[in-house]
Amino acid sequence: DVKVTQSSRYLVKRTGEKVFLECVQDMDHENMFWYRQDPGLGLRLIYFSYDVKMKEKGDIPEGYSVSREKKERFSLILESASTNQTSMYLCASSLATGVYGYTFGSGTRLTVV
Amino acid sequence: GEDVEQSLFLSVREGDSSVINCTYTDSSSTYLYWYKQEPGAGLQLLTYIFSNMDMKQDQRLTVLLNKKDKHLSLRIADTQTGDSAIYFCAESKGDYKLSFGAGTTVTVRA
Repeated sequence: DVKVTQSSRYLVKRTGEKVFLECVQDMDHENMFWYRQDPGLGLRLIYFSYDVKMKEKGDIPEGYSVSREKKERFSLILESASTNQTSMYLCASSLATGVYGYTFGSGTRLTVV
Repeated sequence: GEDVEQSLFLSVREGDSSVINCTYTDSSSTYLYWYKQEPGAGLQLLTYIFSNMDMKQDQRLTVLLNKKDKHLSLRIADTQTGDSAIYFCAESKGDYKLSFGAGTTVTVRA
């Protein structure tokens, strides 16, 4: 069964800390995505990557960066965490759209205090 | 504004049909999707419809697509308590991007 694994389900960090959220997929997918999910706002795209070492900004990239050194791993980095980055973070991967759409991880609920 | 719009809440009695509606703006979208998110979990693909189709049925799920009005709906027949979840509509944007709606929270009451 295809899988996208996010390293932590719950994370609590202090304001100003550097935070790493890790995502690994085992499907050999080219495309990987990071979203944040907030009530009433749905899913907002932070960054995506369509190949190793390639990255593109999504709709809300400010305060975030990403790293994709290997095809299977896509990391989201909060350079200096702030309370307004408290959210659910979802990673997804895809070959291409079409009948399979995206495969999502279970999410990381990040609280910044 | 939002590319994909959906109402935020729906309450339905167990055993009734649920209908979740969605409007999208990109007439060139090739695929449209419905995802389900159960509490504390990621999103799971429920079903999809290709843009040249009007309807797709899959067991209790029926998807209707009106391309002229850019309107997509998901009907769940005989709604059960396990159907309580957030349902997201999404449209394909180009080769590999999806645009999601804000999600409709469906609550099934006894």
